Amino acid sequence: RKEVEQDPGPFNVPEGATVAFNCTYSNSASQSFFWYRQDCRKEPKLLMSVYSSGNEDGRFTAQLNRASQYISLLIRDSKLSDSATYLCVTPGYGNKLVFGAGTILRVKS
Amino acid sequence: EPEVTQTPSHQVTQMGQEVILRCVPISNHLYFYWYRQILGQKVEFLVSFYNNEISEKSEIFDDQFSVERPDGSNFTLKIRSTKLEDSAMYFCASSIRDRGLGELFFGEGSRLTVL
Repeated sequence: RKEVEQDPGPFNVPEGATVAFNCTYSNSASQSFFWYRQDCRKEPKLLMSVYSSGNEDGRFTAQLNRASQYISLLIRDSKLSDSATYLCVTPGYGNKLVFGAGTILRVKS
Repeated sequence: EPEVTQTPSHQVTQMGQEVILRCVPISNHLYFYWYRQILGQKVEFLVSFYNNEISEKSEIFDDQFSVERPDGSNFTLKIRSTKLEDSAMYFCASSIRDRGLGELFFGEGSRLTVL
């Protein structure tokens, strides 16, 4: 099983829609999780951290399900500027953060 | 806002040549990383560095790769003899706390093209 798995998408949604992405992880000992956003040919930037059951920041909500070993990211009221690749990130085995392959979101007017 | 800076932004080199990619991490950060991303693929961990030594490296980080912190500010990645498959975007990152607790701040990347 891969350390981090994501649905690659793309998710094509209209402006204003609500969209959710899931991510599964294999290291049951992981204590912290992150969602990063990556624009085309740019560096990843932290969107949200998830240390307990979940986190909410404006239109973005991240939830953690330890029993099933997945985290989700919910985006409400999608904006055109939300179009990007969303990367699920978690500590891997050893001293590193492991990135998922990313989920592509395209928000269209 | 403090940021991680990387140079060069783009380097084109011939196969077999040595390449040095440079990074200036955020000044009060203690943990340093190199990641790479081949075009269209995921961000892959190469190496982590703490307290002037490598704390972990991936299977990608073979004998052709090395890292150094030659002074108090720079953090370099050297590829001794580049191969075509080394063509990728190389991201330097730093954090103030260990990977499980802190945000990674990434530089804008150095794009390496090996011909």
